[in-house]
This record gives sequence, C-alpha cells and structure tokens, in this order.
Amino acid sequence: GAGVSQSPSNKVTEKGKDVELRCDPISGHTALYWYRQRLGQGLEFLIYFQGNSAPDKSGLPSDRFSAERTGESVSTLTIQRTQQEDSAVYLCASSTGTGNDQETQYFGPGTRLLVL
Amino acid sequence: AQKITQTQPGMFVQEKEAVTLDCTYDTSDPSYGLFWYKQPSSGEMIFLIYQGSYDQQNATEGRYSLNFQKARKSANLVISASQLGDSAMYFCAMRETGYGGATNKLIFGTGTLLAVQP
Repeated sequence: GAGVSQSPSNKVTEKGKDVELRCDPISGHTALYWYRQRLGQGLEFLIYFQGNSAPDKSGLPSDRFSAERTGESVSTLTIQRTQQEDSAVYLCASSTGTGNDQETQYFGPGTRLLVL
Repeated sequence: AQKITQTQPGMFVQEKEAVTLDCTYDTSDPSYGLFWYKQPSSGEMIFLIYQGSYDQQNATEGRYSLNFQKARKSANLVISASQLGDSAMYFCAMRETGYGGATNKLIFGTGTLLAVQP
C-alpha cells in the first residue's frame, strides 16, 4: 500500500552543510507532521502542516530549521549550517486532517541524519 | 502543558505471558485522545491502539488492550500472549489540539523497551 515515504533513508553530511529531507504523505491526507528522534529518546514535535500552511511551527529548534509543503502533498524539511547536535532520525507523519479526536498519525520510515 | 510519563525504561516478559506497559498523562483539556505506537529495531513507528477520553469502554485491538482509568489519568497498554516479535520500543502519546485547534501534534512519552524471552 502507499504509506508515508521519506527520502533519503540515510544522510551523512559535514558540519556546516545544508541538508534537505523529503516526505511524501499518504494520498489524500491534508495534515503532515515532522518529528525528531534523538538516539534512545522519544519523539520531539517539530512542525505541523494543514494543507500548505503551518499553523504550528513551535517545535522548530532554531532558525536553521525550516519546512515547506507544496500542492498539499510533498514536504521538505531543510536544515541549514548543520551542527553535530542535529544528528537524529527525522520522522514524517500524515493524517486525514479531519480534526477528530481519534485522528491517527501514520509515520514514514524516517531519515537518519548523521552530521560529522 | 500536556505531558506523558512512562516510568518503565525496560521490561522483560516470557513468551506467551501477558505484560502491562504503564502510561500516565497530564492534561487540562476535557477532550483528548491517547495512542500507543510500537517501534521495532528497524525504526518505523507502528500505530497500535487508540483510546478517546469519552470512550465508555477500554479499547481493544487483537492482542492489545488499553486499561484506561480516567480518574487516575492512566492509559496502560496490555499485551496478551506475548510473542517474540513483540520485542520493541513502545511509546504512549497524547494528541494536543491547542486553543481553537491551533495544532494537532502528538506529545510522546520516553518509551518502554520490551524484551520477550523464549
């Protein structure tokens, strides 16, 4: 089935470089989320999209982090001037966007980012 | 602010036995949703079960059930007849909607690592 897909699956970069992470949500899902998971820890919320708008960006850790979504579909998370503390798994999720209490978020496989 | 607490960093269970993973939560919202996810070593997050704050009955999905005690603000996951494939990290999460539905994010606990022994 067509679940949430993310690319690349792994990314190794040098400190100071910019990286782009991509997420393709489940078709028809209007809501999209980015989370970060550091090694051995739980998930931290980064940003929430409803359609192409981001009503909640409160989890973005610094102005080096930005995200956009186009066509109510694909989203890109960009990290500029990467730092070693950015090393983590970046998980994308999508949901129907109906706003019901039982609305379930379905996750992609994640992008493992390592900043050397 | 909403908060999820999972106090068990790790647990062992014998194959075919039942196990309970603890989750307590804190919220001032009258309406909320609670979720459990499984994360195997491969890293994917797999949705297991949902419990709504107004649901009269505990949620069940196959071998998974939720022991929901609203007054105690707990939503423990019960896995019956454990299987080797149940070995994974388990996360409890709460949906936060904010004022006027300003967000729809999940707040996660720190997780419990379950190891099923043969």
